[in-house]
Parts: sequence; C-alpha cells; structure tokens
Amino acid sequence: QKEVEQNSGPLSVPEGAIASLNCTYSDRVSQSFFWYRQYSGKSPELIMSIYSNGDKEDGRFTAQLNKASQYVSLLIRDSQPSDSATYLCAVNMQAGTALIFGKGTTLSVSS
Amino acid sequence: NAGVTQTPKFQVLKTGQSMTLQCAQDMNHNSMYWYRQDPGMGLRLIYYSASEGTTDKGEVPNGYNVSRLNKREFSLRLESAAPSQTSVYFCASSGQAWGDEQFFGPGTRLTVL
Repeated sequence: QKEVEQNSGPLSVPEGAIASLNCTYSDRVSQSFFWYRQYSGKSPELIMSIYSNGDKEDGRFTAQLNKASQYVSLLIRDSQPSDSATYLCAVNMQAGTALIFGKGTTLSVSS
Repeated sequence: NAGVTQTPKFQVLKTGQSMTLQCAQDMNHNSMYWYRQDPGMGLRLIYYSASEGTTDKGEVPNGYNVSRLNKREFSLRLESAAPSQTSVYFCASSGQAWGDEQFFGPGTRLTVL
C-alpha cells in the first residue's frame, strides 16, 4: 500500500518563528514531490515542488528532500498569521501513477 | 486567465437524483482530474483523463462517470446520488499526467439528503 504520512497537528508556532512540516512516503522510487496549502473552505494551492535531493527555496518557503530517508519537509521562515492553514504533501511514487496525497498538517501561527 | 473553473459552487440533491459537475481549464493542459475530499480521508482520486479522448478510474470511481468533452472541459456525473457522495469535489489539471504540478479549481460542495 503506497502511503504518504503527515502529522495531523495542529502545529502551533508564534509569529516570526520557523514552522517545520514533515512528510514521509512509502515508495523508495518516488519521483515528484509537492506541497500544497489549503485554507479552510478553499481549494489546495500549490506552493512548492521538488524533484531532486536537497533544498529548494522560494521566498519564505524551503522544501527539503531526502530520498534515502524517504522524507520531504517544508520550512516556513518568519511565519505569519496568514500562513495558518492545512499543508498537504503529495508524492508521485512511480511514473504513470497517481499522485498520493497525505491527509495534511494544520498549522496555526499566533500573533 | 481564470485557471481551473468549476460549476456549481454548491449543490443539494435528494437521494437518487442525478447531476453533472462541470470543470474547465484555460491553461492548455493535457491532463485533468476529479477528486473528492472528506474529513479525515484526505483527497481521493475519482477519475482522471491523461489526455483528450482518454479517461481512467482512480481510487474511488464507483457511482461516478466522466466525460472529457474536449481539451478544456472534463465533467463528472452522478447518475443516482447517495448520501455517501456528500463531499467536496475538486477538479484539477496538469500539463502532463502525474509528474507535473496539478492546479485545482475552487471546488463544489455537494450535499445529498
């Protein structure tokens, strides 16, 4: 059974802190990795994609991929109350197969 | 450039009624998807269309049918709605199937009484 696991949270951080969201996946040959942000009552919004080992930075967001350990993480620097949302990890485990979504981690940033 | 659009935004049905959810994208994407999202279950794939003219079942296809009308449009039909189909339905599209980033529409909130 191919799985993507996330801690459901809630993860609570104060404004200005670094929020660290983690995701593990079951298939070692996974190829593509995505982070989505979903506000309550809204649709998932793509914020980061990463395809190779290492870090990828985009503004306050950094995605980290470690294929050997089968985890991908998302760091949010200088967290803002507007970052409060559920963050979904999605993994494309093999070419030609469906994206598998985790159930999401709820982040709460307090001012 | 509207991205992915869905209609309707909200719908209430009675058990046994039928309806079609519409989805359109203006990003010239080849692949389109229908998901449902339920509390505690995450996003689950219902059907997808890897390219115009093709459709395939996803994880939870029972009770649904789809039509890829053209490259832009992908509809989801419930022939005889059941309370278990109460959910939020999202359409998504991507340039190519699977490995590419998927972009989501705003969703349809469906209640079946």
